[in-house]
Amino acid sequence: QQQVKQSPQSLIVQKGGIPIINCAYENTAFDYFPWYQQFPGKGPALLIAIRPDVSEKKEGRFTISFNKSAKQFSLHIMDSQPGDSATYFCAASDNAGNMLTFGGGTRLMVKP
Amino acid sequence: ETGVTQSPTHLIKTRGQQVTLRCSSQSGHNTVSWYQQALGQGPQFIFQYYREEENGRGNFPPRFSGLQFPNYSSELNVNALELDDSALYLCASSLESSGVQETQYFGPGTRLLVL
Repeated sequence: QQQVKQSPQSLIVQKGGIPIINCAYENTAFDYFPWYQQFPGKGPALLIAIRPDVSEKKEGRFTISFNKSAKQFSLHIMDSQPGDSATYFCAASDNAGNMLTFGGGTRLMVKP
Repeated sequence: ETGVTQSPTHLIKTRGQQVTLRCSSQSGHNTVSWYQQALGQGPQFIFQYYREEENGRGNFPPRFSGLQFPNYSSELNVNALELDDSALYLCASSLESSGVQETQYFGPGTRLLVL
């Protein structure tokens, strides 16, 4: 019940494309859904986060869509750039500072 | 404002040995969480410390233990190392204020290799 399933495992898009990464969860107690970006050899960096009271949140080129009834959420990256090439993790928690349950990650490559 | 720092950056140990990893939380943060990230996988929660006490634990055996100090820095200790303990160990800090936990920010991690 604690699992967060993330797809796809890897994704290749052309520069300017809109990669979409999807996550699904089971635990209805989850109340906080962040996305992290991780470059090789670095720790995860918070990109954007959402709570279930809104269906969409946008920060710069990053947008989270949230479907509470389906228990699914997704990350869209608008106008993707080669510098966006990294591994992206979705996560969920019952509180922003409590235990984060992470998805398995999506390795994104943006081709010039 | 300084971010989360961890030491050492890399470490090589042999099976059966003990290791101590260190973390300094971001300025103003009072809560520290530790995660283990195996190669190609998402981080897994080990435990969290708040006010120098363990405040939650994931599915890790007792040979994984920790400490938090009055300045909110933290240590992760792993005894009787096993080959499967080879991973990136991440520390994340956050602020708990008036019962509300804020966002966790991660350090760069310590890469542990057990031979």
